[in-house]
Amino acid sequence: AQSVAQPEDQVNVAEGNPLTVKCTYSVSGNPYLFWYVQYPNRGLQFLLKYITGDNLVKGSYGFEAEFNKSQTSFHLKKPSALVSDSALYFCAVRGDNNNDMRFGAGTRLTVKP
Amino acid sequence: DGGITQSPKYLFRKEGQNVTLSCEQNLNHDAMYWYRQDPGQGLRLIYYSQIVNDFQKGDIAEGYSVSREKKESFPLTVTSAQKNPTAFYLCASTSSGTGERGYTFGSGTRLTVV
Repeated sequence: AQSVAQPEDQVNVAEGNPLTVKCTYSVSGNPYLFWYVQYPNRGLQFLLKYITGDNLVKGSYGFEAEFNKSQTSFHLKKPSALVSDSALYFCAVRGDNNNDMRFGAGTRLTVKP
Repeated sequence: DGGITQSPKYLFRKEGQNVTLSCEQNLNHDAMYWYRQDPGQGLRLIYYSQIVNDFQKGDIAEGYSVSREKKESFPLTVTSAQKNPTAFYLCASTSSGTGERGYTFGSGTRLTVV
């Protein structure tokens, strides 16, 4: 069965600095990897996904993520953080046999002015 | 616009009552899911349905029930057997096929026991 780990409950960065939110995964077969963002009392919004091809995936709001097969990681990054990026971020994985999506526990990102 | 609608946004339940949370989608998605979200615990799968008139238990199905009589609708009933139902409930859907499709989420229902 697939699983996802987000090792950091909380990430704090200053506005304008680069940010990284970490994610590692375990899945049999080829992974399909996703990042979602959640604002308070809202559903999850899709940010980006990796299916195949280029290991660097670009998504919404200037976010990108790098797929690293040897390290089984899919870290979310942004070159310059904004205060409005403060939210809860979830990493998720599906296997290529269409198993259900599994989510990490979430990482709360706080960007301070 | 296509999407998933959850209602109500806020729901209050007295102890011993059953309540039903609504989830409707117009995306023509085959699969639908219910998750429970508690602080610090991420998303936990309650029930899911891959096709009409069929559904499967997730990781925390006890105290919950669902139905899937129509493709568009997947209501969740929180029964009196659920001892700690206060949580944020999220519904999601996706199309069938291989796993490269992500999920689309509703905006959630916050259930509080009073």
